[in-house]
Amino acid sequence: EPEVTQTPSHQVTQMGQEVILRCVPISNHLYFYWYRQILGQKVEFLVSFYNNEISEKSEIFDDQFSVERPDGSNFTLKIRSTKLEDSAMYFCASSGTGGERAGELFFGEGSRLTVL
Amino acid sequence: LAKTTQPISMDSYEGQEVNITCSHNNIATNDYITWYQQFPSQGPRFIIQGYKTKVTNEVASLFIPADRKSSTLSLPRVSLSDTAVYYCLVGDLTGNQFYFGTGTSLTVIP
Repeated sequence: EPEVTQTPSHQVTQMGQEVILRCVPISNHLYFYWYRQILGQKVEFLVSFYNNEISEKSEIFDDQFSVERPDGSNFTLKIRSTKLEDSAMYFCASSGTGGERAGELFFGEGSRLTVL
Repeated sequence: LAKTTQPISMDSYEGQEVNITCSHNNIATNDYITWYQQFPSQGPRFIIQGYKTKVTNEVASLFIPADRKSSTLSLPRVSLSDTAVYYCLVGDLTGNQFYFGTGTSLTVIP
């Protein structure tokens, strides 16, 4: 079964450092998402991406965050200058062609980011 | 965005049917209702999606009344492996955004 893959599974970084989290969505999907989940809390929407541009973003997704689809397969989340409160599990998700299946998001296993 | 309200937690014994209700009083005409399951340290996994009436698949049923202001996820004969957090999401299918609520933490007891 096709799956969304994320790397790294765990990254530890110093406050103020840049971090890039990588995702390979399912190959024929068109919509891509990043979510984060702080330990013990709910899953929070960060950003959605379609047709090579951001289609929606939340208040969390400020100027420190950016997303990119540098080639036909990868989808990346960059945090320019990490803060302690960025420590969380970051989930990438993708979905198909829209319509009635657009609500079926396929999530990766997550990248755990620890900011020291 | 339609906000959802679910019970924070539920307990059930193995083999029982579990019904988790979600309230979404301001659901819009174009909104669908989608349920996800999340195990600790894993990404959420799609369970079921519906617009109205009843939808059933191999793992669950989703009941949606005519006014669509609530929905009920039904898990038949739960097992210990169904212990997880269950999220109800409401949104249209433009593929732009799906916001998770606080979810319902289901604990299945032997």
